[in-house]
Amino acid sequence: AQRVTQPEKLLSVFKGAPVELKCNYSYSGSPELFWYVQYSRQRLQLLLRHISRESIKGFTADLNKGETSFHLKKPFAQEEDSAMYYCALSGTTGFQKLVFGTGTRLLVSP
Amino acid sequence: DVKVTQSSRYLVKRTGEKVFLECVQDMDHENMFWYRQDPGLGLRLIYFSYDVKMKEKGDIPEGYSVSREKKERFSLILESASTNQTSMYLCASRGDRVSHEQYFGPGTRLTVT
Repeated sequence: AQRVTQPEKLLSVFKGAPVELKCNYSYSGSPELFWYVQYSRQRLQLLLRHISRESIKGFTADLNKGETSFHLKKPFAQEEDSAMYYCALSGTTGFQKLVFGTGTRLLVSP
Repeated sequence: DVKVTQSSRYLVKRTGEKVFLECVQDMDHENMFWYRQDPGLGLRLIYFSYDVKMKEKGDIPEGYSVSREKKERFSLILESASTNQTSMYLCASRGDRVSHEQYFGPGTRLTVT
């Protein structure tokens, strides 16, 4: 069964501190992993996906197949990073749906 | 730019009422989805449609139905609203089967009293 686990409901850090939002998954195969973000009063939007291997707004995420993890990291948090973050998984064969984690609220304080 | 719109941002209905939530996308996407978003539970898939008039149950379809008569429009129907259906409802569309990226609407916050 496909499952995404985000163990932290809330992560509170100070501006300038490093941030790591944890995401673990279970999937029997090679999944595609995503991070979606929802800022206050805005729609849910894609932040980054593992196949792109890109850095968006200073965030990076590396797929670790051995640990089945896809943690989101940023070396220096900014107040505008405060948002709800969802990790999501999709299979790569047939018609695939996104399976979301329960989300982590990141709060960056000045 | 992909645009996904939902008919209402806020909706208040009474128990037992029939409720229609509308979603429209303007990018000719084949796939459309309905989720509900609840604190601590994340996003849960209610129904999805991979083409016009085609629909499939998601993980929590009980108490809901859907309609996809036109490619751009995907409707979620609550046949008889109940208080446990009070939630934020998100619609999404997807056009690229390779990337699996979904584009979301702004959401409808439904309160059933």
